[in-house]
Amino acid sequence: NAGVMQNPRHLVRRRGQEARLRCSPMKGHSHVYWYRQLPEEGLKFMVYLQKENIIDESGMPKERFSAEFPKEGPSILRIQQVVRGDSAAYFCASSPVRAQNTEAFFGQGTRLTVV
Amino acid sequence: KQEVTQIPAALSVPEGENLVLNCSFTDSAIYNLQWFRQDPGKGLTSLLLIQSSQREQTSGRLNASLDKSSGRSTLYIAASQPGDSATYLCAVENTRGKLQFGAGTQVVVTP
Repeated sequence: NAGVMQNPRHLVRRRGQEARLRCSPMKGHSHVYWYRQLPEEGLKFMVYLQKENIIDESGMPKERFSAEFPKEGPSILRIQQVVRGDSAAYFCASSPVRAQNTEAFFGQGTRLTVV
Repeated sequence: KQEVTQIPAALSVPEGENLVLNCSFTDSAIYNLQWFRQDPGKGLTSLLLIQSSQREQTSGRLNASLDKSSGRSTLYIAASQPGDSATYLCAVENTRGKLQFGAGTQVVVTP
């Protein structure tokens, strides 16, 4: 059973371009979470999704950022018109259900650099 | 608002010594607390998960305690090894699906 797969591992975008980050959860996992780790800062929650539903997007910036988890295929975090401040490591995690004893398993992350 | 604090921010010990890492949180209404390890440029590896009803969890050389009433958790790593060098993160879940992380403790174990 492969772990949480994120791609690409590294992404370079020029200011104003779009960035698309993909996350394939572990097999059997229907809950996906995105976190962002800015340089010299801790991990911050962005969004929690189930298949075809956004459960909690309280950590998402109001503009330019969107996330989806379609019925088929990976979860996508999309950043439009990237700016230098978007440079960070973006981590995806997944779990089978949300229960008290359920661990979240993290991917290796996508490191976005905006030049 | 939940705040998670980890002390110390960095720690260096000689090989063989025991490690003690501290995590405190301000809102005791949590579902669980998780300890993670992060290696430079890598993802997070889950080490231990303690449910809110539990007081400790053990896995090999690792032992984590939880005192929910005082808002504290401690991660003990026995007989440290150079391979234990990493950043250790604690995270609490007090809203379903939303982990709140501390800033981490950077550990260096010298041979």
